[in-house]
Amino acid sequence: SAVISQKPSRDICQRGTSLTIQCQVDSQVTMMFWYRQQPGQSLTLIATANQGSEATYESGFVIDKFPISRPNLTFSTLTVSNMSPEDSSIYLCSVDLPPGTDGYTFGSGTRLTVV
Amino acid sequence: AQSVTQPDIHITVSEGASLELRCNYSYGATPYLFWYVQSPGQGLQLLLKYFSGDTLVQGIKGFEAEFKRSQSSFNLRKPSVHWSDAAEYFCAVSGGGADGLTFGKGTHLIIQP
Repeated sequence: SAVISQKPSRDICQRGTSLTIQCQVDSQVTMMFWYRQQPGQSLTLIATANQGSEATYESGFVIDKFPISRPNLTFSTLTVSNMSPEDSSIYLCSVDLPPGTDGYTFGSGTRLTVV
Repeated sequence: AQSVTQPDIHITVSEGASLELRCNYSYGATPYLFWYVQSPGQGLQLLLKYFSGDTLVQGIKGFEAEFKRSQSSFNLRKPSVHWSDAAEYFCAVSGGGADGLTFGKGTHLIIQP
């Protein structure tokens, strides 16, 4: 199974600033996914990042607020821009492994608090 | 659009008793189905998955789930729960490939001594 490293693990940020979250995978993967888990809630897909093309965003999420980079097959970043307290959430990176393996594997998440 | 319904927000079970967590999905084709567990302050751990084949799948920690196409269900079961099973359980569906996961709202499992 893939090992996913996410940094930072947690951060406390001032409103109006931006935070970039990094996701590093120990093997090459085609698709990387970013999710948000608001306090006490389930996970919601933000966007899908395919290397070499622009990320595809889900309804309710826009590139200006959550720009994503995918420079190679093992790395991606998610930026949370112009943050407000409503952005306080856990942000998780995930990768899709071929069927018959472990399926979707998740990083340990970034716990973001905006004050 | 695909969706997942977990009708039980909270379930309380006595230690040693059996457990069944319900999950219903809506998806146009044959889905990929997953159960994840999240302990407090922890990340997501995959319990089991269904891609195809045998509709009864075995997972880690003694869990199993049964895919019933006619009922659009993928319920999670365990014959005897342990105190360490207390956690949040999420059912999820995907079409695979570039499809991410669509999660249910989760079921919070409480274990009584």
